[in-house]
Formats: sequence, C-alpha cells, structure tokens
Amino acid sequence: ETGVTQTPRHLVMGMTNKKSLKCEQHLGHNAMYWYKQSAKKPLELMFVYNFKEQTENNSVPSRFSPECPNSSHLFLHLHTLQPEDSALYLCASSQVSGGVGGNTIYFGEGSWLTVV
Amino acid sequence: AQRVTQPEKLLSVFKGAPVELKCNYSYSGSPELFWYVQYSRQRLQLLLRHISRESIKGFTADLNKGETSFHLKKPFAQEEDSAMYYCAPNNAGNMLTFGGGTRLMVKP
Repeated sequence: ETGVTQTPRHLVMGMTNKKSLKCEQHLGHNAMYWYKQSAKKPLELMFVYNFKEQTENNSVPSRFSPECPNSSHLFLHLHTLQPEDSALYLCASSQVSGGVGGNTIYFGEGSWLTVV
Repeated sequence: AQRVTQPEKLLSVFKGAPVELKCNYSYSGSPELFWYVQYSRQRLQLLLRHISRESIKGFTADLNKGETSFHLKKPFAQEEDSAMYYCAPNNAGNMLTFGGGTRLMVKP
C-alpha cells in the first residue's frame, strides 16, 4: 500500500502494559508527525520529526516516547498509560522544502487505542 | 498565541442548499490556510489550500486577512459532502494547528 500506514489499527492495553504504535510512510517525505484525536479535544500535535530529528515535543507526558529510526518509520512507545489517553493516534508525513509557508500533510488511518 | 476557531460543531443542511463552514484564526505573521476533510471510515485528507486558489469538489475558500477568516463554501451541498471538516493554519514551517472541526450533515 502507498501513503502512510499505521499498525496496529486497534489496540487495547492495560495501564501497566508496554506497547508500541508503528507508522511507515511510502511517500519519500522527510518529516513525520504524531497527532492525538480524541472526542473531547481538537486534533493535538504531539511530536514532529524533521530528517529523523525531533523538532517538536508539544508538552507530551513522558509515558509517550517517540522513536524515528529513519525518515520512513516512526514509532510511539506507550508505557503506564492512563484511561484518559484512550484516543485515535494519527501518524502523518510531509515533505518539508525549507521555504516559508506550509506543506501538505498526509495522514494515516490511525491507531485506535483503548487503555483499560 | 496561535488559535483556530470553528464556531459550529455541527452544521446540518438539505441537499442542494448552500453551505458555509466558518473558520477564524489568530496567528502572527501570514499563515497559509488549509481545509482538511475526514469522510466516514476514511483518513483525514487535504481538501484545499488557499495558496492554490482552486475549487475542489465544488468547495472554495477565500482568505480574508482583514477578518482573519478562511470560510469554506459550496453553493449546492451534496449528500456525499457529509463529513468532518477541519480548518488548519500553518505558520511554523511544517506544523499544522487544527480547529475543533465542524461536522457537516447533508440531508436528502
């Protein structure tokens, strides 16, 4: 499949578990992102990676730990989460040209996380 | 602080009626504005961006810098337009800030 793929699509985990979400982009982009989408809040940017380097951590609790081994893969490691962390986690990518202004961001279908 | 406001959480119209989804932003500098759409069971995807000045699926959006608005409009709504719509300014390189979204329901 082309575009941005995320696995697993659904995950149920206990508060003491450790799990990871995986994202892969097949678009040749140089930037990747994690967003959180929950029913009660707007889409929230969590992390940004440019050229594999983390450039933004939007005040995300340390129980969420991102990893970007290369420009095509992005992980979100989850540890001792809380029930309020249950949400749809979206991965996205874009090609950053370095110019002023925005670039189209391409999203994956998301990973539904339920913390019990 | 950067802020995006979509005042309507739900907008319900009949098929064939005009539709306008409102977006107001508070940003420093001159952001580029995007509208993203999420159809049922599909991923969030770009609908249009103001720099392109295009009409996509009959939708247009005009950037009004004086009013700091970027409202999305379509003269005749179709049932397949039913979806969640997000306004997203981008003024920090490659980072988007999304509004709260407006759910558009087009009734037959």
